[in-house]
Amino acid sequence: GAGVSQSPSNKVTEKGKDVELRCDPISGHTALYWYRQSLGQGLEFLIYFQGNSAPDKSGLPSDRFSAERTGGSVSTLTIQRTQQEDSAVYLCASSLAGGLAGGRGYEQYFGPGTRLTVT
Amino acid sequence: QQPVQSPQAVILREGEDAVINCSSSKALYSVHWYRQKHGEAPVFLMILLKGGEQKGHEKISASFNEKKQQSSLYLTASQLSYSGTYFCGTSRPHTGNQFYFGTGTSLTVIP
Repeated sequence: GAGVSQSPSNKVTEKGKDVELRCDPISGHTALYWYRQSLGQGLEFLIYFQGNSAPDKSGLPSDRFSAERTGGSVSTLTIQRTQQEDSAVYLCASSLAGGLAGGRGYEQYFGPGTRLTVT
Repeated sequence: QQPVQSPQAVILREGEDAVINCSSSKALYSVHWYRQKHGEAPVFLMILLKGGEQKGHEKISASFNEKKQQSSLYLTASQLSYSGTYFCGTSRPHTGNQFYFGTGTSLTVIP
């Protein structure tokens, strides 16, 4: 079946502009995560959505970052007034279930990412 | 708060074994392992839940010691296809739904 898709694959923007990154999770997956990966670094948790519950935004680095998930499916990550330090690959992942319980169904499937470059 | 992995990097010859460790200063609820090849997205390998649990995936297995807040990934008879960066990922009680990935271990298998 179709995997997680993200668009655009690459985005170059000028400092101060706003950008929107899109994620289409695997159909039927209730949990959705956004991560940021800077060059040669690990994955930094940004935000978590579970079904129609309020998202866990505890990883968002500043109030310039926001995300929404419409209809429990597609998600959009918005970065306002982009800064050069926002340059990174933004990865989206979905899982059948989410939260602490773990086990089968909690594995995360990642999209190909959006490479954001702020000039 | 990020789990620490060791070693940071390792180079193996085909057929050799390797162990990658993941340690946390905080209590762990579960441990995931993922492999990321250069320029690609991470790919899930396995999840461990219970203290002392061991799981296997082909010639890759892992253990999780809840009390020591550690997990280890064992790669036996390594193949060229094992090359990549390995990340552990953890969820912790009382931290909401944050998911923390480890610092990563770069593994290179050479012929």
